[in-house]
Amino acid sequence: DGGITQSPKYLFRKEGQNVTLSCEQNLNHDAMYWYRQDPGQGLRLIYYSQIVNDFQKGDIAEGYSVSREKKESFPLTVTSAQKNPTAFYLCASSGTLNEQYFGPGTRLTVT
Amino acid sequence: KNEVEQSPQNLTAQEGEFITINCSYSVGISALHWLQQHPGGGIVSLFMLSSGKKKHGRLIATINIQEKHSSLHITASHPRDSAVYICAVGDGNQFYFGTGTSLTVIP
Repeated sequence: DGGITQSPKYLFRKEGQNVTLSCEQNLNHDAMYWYRQDPGQGLRLIYYSQIVNDFQKGDIAEGYSVSREKKESFPLTVTSAQKNPTAFYLCASSGTLNEQYFGPGTRLTVT
Repeated sequence: KNEVEQSPQNLTAQEGEFITINCSYSVGISALHWLQQHPGGGIVSLFMLSSGKKKHGRLIATINIQEKHSSLHITASHPRDSAVYICAVGDGNQFYFGTGTSLTVIP
């Protein structure tokens, strides 16, 4: 079945460590997105990529980095520069013919 | 200004009640999504709509493109329906999300 995989579902890290969140899709979608959710708030755009080897900053890109070396993969690295990394992270993708999908998300806790 | 507005923010219902959650949006869209998120859990996609109405079990989603409005209905609500329901719209370039409706269904 086609879809988006995010792993792991829950992730725990110590403060000061970089951590990479995985997002993989087998939908052949060109565009992929990363969003962040804080308690009681809506989801906000971190980074997006419309095509392989290209990506753009979203509204809250500071402290994050991404890569898009393969069409099916869009990993997000939460760096030690991100002041409040504990949050829920959601990956999404979109393709032609109005195909739009969401991953299940990863809940990151940094202590 | 939020591109997507949901109402109500919080909703408490008795088991068996009919529930409606509303979503209005201000951008041009290619599709609208209803997502479900249980406390501490991940996201589950319930519906993707670009027109008309869809039904899945006890859940019904409708969209009125002209009025830029969508509703999610839950018939015969059950405590396991307790979750946050999020409306999201995609315009082909990115997604916009509502802040969610927190639903609690009491037995």
